[in-house]
Amino acid sequence: EIVLTQSPGTLSLSPGERATLSCRASQKISGGYLAWYQHKPGQAPRPLIYGTSTRATGIPDRFSGSGSGTDFTLTVSRLKPEDSAVYYCQQYGGSPRGGFTFGPGTKVDIK
Amino acid sequence: QVTLKESGPVLVKPTETLTLTCTLSGFSFSSPRVGASWIRQPPGKALEWLAHIFLNDEKSYSTSLKSRLTISRDTSKSQVVLTMTNMDPVDTGTYYCARYNLRVGHFDYWVQETLVTVSS
Repeated sequence: EIVLTQSPGTLSLSPGERATLSCRASQKISGGYLAWYQHKPGQAPRPLIYGTSTRATGIPDRFSGSGSGTDFTLTVSRLKPEDSAVYYCQQYGGSPRGGFTFGPGTKVDIK
Repeated sequence: QVTLKESGPVLVKPTETLTLTCTLSGFSFSSPRVGASWIRQPPGKALEWLAHIFLNDEKSYSTSLKSRLTISRDTSKSQVVLTMTNMDPVDTGTYYCARYNLRVGHFDYWVQETLVTVSS
C-alpha cells in the first residue's frame, strides 16, 4: 500500500504570499493519478489539481501542481484569505489492488 | 448534471452494522471509466479512503479496514452501498461518497457530508 506524506503540517502565511506544499509517496506513483484537494470545514473536498498538474474545472491559475516519481508539489500564489483550508494530496494505484490513499493534509492559515 | 446523494443513519450503536447508500445520477452508470468510493473523516483528523467499486464490479478496500467493509452496487438503481460491521465510537466521523473518473484521474464529484455518530 502506497503511503503519502505531506509537509509541512501547518503553514501560516499572509495574503499575497506564496504557499508551497509537498507530497511524498513511499514508492513511485503514476503522475496521471496524483491529485490535490482543498477542504474547508462543513464542505465536501474540492478538486484542485489532477494528473499532477492539470487544474480542475473552475480552479484559478493561482493554483499549480508539479512533480514526478515520488515527489509532488502544490503551489498557491498570491494567497487570499479564502485559501485558508486543509490541502490533501491523493493517489490511485492504477488497479484495484493498488487502491487509493490520501495524505495527512497540510493546514494553510492565511491571516 | 452529475449529482450524488447519500442516505443512511446518523446514529449507530457500538457493535452494530452501518449501511450507507450513495445514489449517482447524471451519467452512465455502466461507464467503465468511472467508479465510486467511500471516504471518511473522523473529527479533527485527515481524510481516509475506505473502499471503491469500479462499474465493472471490481472492488478495492482499505487494507486496515478490509475485514469490516463490503461495497456493492445496484446498477438498476444507480446506487453504491457500503456496509461496515462492528461499529465502534472511533468510527464516528463524516462519511463521503465520491465519484472517481479514470479519464481525469481524480474524485471529481462528492456528496454533501453525512456525520455518523457511534454511541450507545
